[in-house]
Formats: sequence, structure tokens, C-alpha cells
Amino acid sequence: GAGVSQSPRYKVAKRGQDVALRCDPISGHVSLFWYQQALGQGPEFLTYFQNEAQLDKSGLPSDRFFAERPEGSVSTLKIQRTQQEDSAVYLCASSLSLAGGPSGELFFGEGSRLTVL
Amino acid sequence: DAKTTQPNSMESNEEEPVHLPCNHSTISGTDYIHWYRQLPSQGPEYVIHGLTSNVNNRMASLAIAEDRKSSTLILHRATLRDAAVYYCILRDYGGANNLFFGTGTRLTVIP
Repeated sequence: GAGVSQSPRYKVAKRGQDVALRCDPISGHVSLFWYQQALGQGPEFLTYFQNEAQLDKSGLPSDRFFAERPEGSVSTLKIQRTQQEDSAVYLCASSLSLAGGPSGELFFGEGSRLTVL
Repeated sequence: DAKTTQPNSMESNEEEPVHLPCNHSTISGTDYIHWYRQLPSQGPEYVIHGLTSNVNNRMASLAIAEDRKSSTLILHRATLRDAAVYYCILRDYGGANNLFFGTGTRLTVIP
């Protein structure tokens, strides 16, 4: 498809397990963002990539969270030793423009819903 | 970061206009006003953005106060498909990475 694709759509993990969430951005999009959305809340920024460079990871809640985009396209968000408070929808977004463009529209995927038991 | 304030929820009858307000009293001169909406079980989608002048597109209109401390998203004829959470976001000219969504306004459209 032409949009941002995320997988898996749903993931159930036992507390302490590691999980990996994948994002396929729109082809050619330079910028890639990860957001976390808890139930009933708005999305909260986690990290930003410009091509393969991770330029901002100020929103990652702990060192258990790690994101990569090694070839500047597909990105993976990894959460180690999951905790119940990690349960949320993880949204990926991409943008054609560099982050330095105020009009750069962000295109979001449908998200990956993580439930930690 | 400059933040926005929106009502938690609003209702509208189908096929009537809807005015969704947003206050951003601490907006800076380089902040653009963006609106996104999130349909149930979907990721957010872009609606419209503006700086100083009112803006129109196929989805909506954006009316910006002269002092830029508030704005209003206008849906000219609400449909059931417009039921969503609407987020008003400030994004500076540098294109800040950390878009602050807040909790938005949940719009209910009544048939």
C-alpha cells in the first residue's frame, strides 16, 4: 500500500519479555517519528529519525526503549523487559520533508497495540 | 513549549457546521497552528495548518484570531465520518520534532 505500515497490529507480551515493533514508512520519506499513545490520551513523542540518523530521542521513557532505522527506511522500536506501564498504542509517522519544515504533513500508520500482562 | 487548550468534548448534529476552538495564548511568532484528527482505531491524520491568515482546504477551514492567541477549526457540514478526536498543535518554523498533541476535543456527530 501507499501508506505507513506497522506490524504487528496487536501484540500481547508477558511482563519481562522483549518486543519489537516494525514501521514501514512511505517510500522516499526522509523523516520518521515514533509516538506512544496511552488509552484516552493524545500521542506522546518518543523519537525522531532523519534518514538513518536518530536526531532526537528525548521522549524515550527509559533505557529499555530503543529505536533504529539502519538503512533510512524501515524502523524498529524495541522494548526490553516489558512492564505493564508499557501497554499502549505505538504510532509511527513519516514525512517527506525534513523536520525543519513547518508545513511538513505527518502521515501516521494505524499503530501497534501492545498489551503487557 | 507553547501549549494549546481545547474543550474535552463537543457534539454536533449531522449536516450542521461545527466550530472547534483552540486557545494558544503563549504562541510565539514562529509557531504554525496545525490540526490533526484521529478516527477510532486509526492513527492521526492531517487536517489543516496556518500561520496568520485564514485557510481553507477540502476538509475544513481554519480561522485564526488577529492576535493569534486562538483559532477555530470549522467543519462546514458535519458527517458521521467526522466523529473523531481533533488535536490543535503548535509547530515552530524550525519544524519541531516533538509535536505536543494534548488530549484534544472528542467530537460526537448526532444523526
